[in-house]
Amino acid sequence: NAGVTQTPKFQVLKTGQSMTLQCAQDMNHEYMSWYRQDPGMGLRLIHYSVGAGITDQGEVPNGYNVSRSTTEDFPLRLLSAAPSQTSVYFCASSYKAGATEAFFGQGTRLTVV
Amino acid sequence: GNSVTQMEGPVTLSEEAFLTINCTYTATGYPSLFWYVQYPGEGLQLLLKATKADDKGSNKGFEATYRKETTSFHLEKGSVQVSDSAVYFCALSQPSGGSYIPTFGRGTSLIVHP
Repeated sequence: NAGVTQTPKFQVLKTGQSMTLQCAQDMNHEYMSWYRQDPGMGLRLIHYSVGAGITDQGEVPNGYNVSRSTTEDFPLRLLSAAPSQTSVYFCASSYKAGATEAFFGQGTRLTVV
Repeated sequence: GNSVTQMEGPVTLSEEAFLTINCTYTATGYPSLFWYVQYPGEGLQLLLKATKADDKGSNKGFEATYRKETTSFHLEKGSVQVSDSAVYFCALSQPSGGSYIPTFGRGTSLIVHP
């Protein structure tokens, strides 16, 4: 059982480039989310989805797009990378994000130069 | 809105010392409360949880009690080990606008010396 799989683990982008961070889960979870983790800031929610075809913005959505065409996949797109998007990105999933725990991927360390 | 406040770190202890990491929350109603742990280079993983007032969550020697009267969920361990060195996140989960949005604290780094 793979759990939550994120790819790539590391990425360097030039300012203005676009890319997609991939996230897949094999637990049939309804709820998926993307966070960024920055020193001293903890985890900040970027976007989330409560089911296939449904997405919504979190605390820091600017510069990012998401889609949820299947239950399993929840890719995060950076439209035009900026140095301020240098961060560690985590994808998480949970059954219904209520009293159930969230399962996290291993993270993607992104550097924008 | 919901919020979680954790004590700032790093917390530095010697092996076998007693650990307390404070966590307080702001939420309406009755949220579920969680502690997650993040080891270096890894994602977060659930350490323990409590879903109603006076519940005690426990795992791997760590404990936390859901105190509604003080809106707190402090993490404790009687004797820490070097292997407990990690970042600890307090979190709550509660319905908001029809869906559940987990809210995380900023994390507290724990460093345990031999």
